[in-house]
Amino acid sequence: EVQLVESGGGLVKPGGSLRLSCAASGFTFSDSWMSWVRQTPGKGLEWVCRIKNEPDGGTRDCAAPVKGRFTISRDDSKSTLYLQMNSLKTEDTAVYYCTTTGGSWGQGTLVTVSS
Amino acid sequence: QSALTQPASVSGSPGQSITISCTGVSSDVGGYNYVSWYQQHPGKAPKLMIYDVSHRASGVSNRFSGSKSGNTASLTISGLQAEDEADYYCSSHTTSFFLEEFGGGTRLTVL
Repeated sequence: EVQLVESGGGLVKPGGSLRLSCAASGFTFSDSWMSWVRQTPGKGLEWVCRIKNEPDGGTRDCAAPVKGRFTISRDDSKSTLYLQMNSLKTEDTAVYYCTTTGGSWGQGTLVTVSS
Repeated sequence: QSALTQPASVSGSPGQSITISCTGVSSDVGGYNYVSWYQQHPGKAPKLMIYDVSHRASGVSNRFSGSKSGNTASLTISGLQAEDEADYYCSSHTTSFFLEEFGGGTRLTVL
């Protein structure tokens, strides 16, 4: 059974940083393309970043609103996906989900950016 | 404002069929057969129901079906059941700076 468990969310001030983690199990993580998607009550679901597997080049892409501030990475030896979030803004407040291209989602972790 | 347009709400009685539309443009829904549909119950993560326009995800009831015509994709749920009451979101691959776009979601109420 595919399991994705996010952690690292919390309350942070504007301009601060957080690193989210997503521990994966139940599938071959190193073969998978992985993404982060966030959800806010006002804007709904929004794709954040994606990283391909190493055989496909390990390419990383992020949406324009977070480009230059967020970095997606992976550690295949630990079957773990990361999202480093810097220069956080209030509009980054959301539940962040780790997802696979196969359509599995974690339970989400809440990030609140507020002074 | 979401890139893909869905009705805010739909409703139906048990046993009836309903259809939820998802309208995009030629650079997303109309240009690719990569439309997915997700079901989300309150407080839960989205669950993949349909991928690649019309393929049911593993374990999904055959009461759920997907289709596409031009720039509009549709999710049909037949034989409505109380457990189908949830929010439904469509998504599509896109050539915009978002590699994947989502609809604003549709609240399904089973009367």
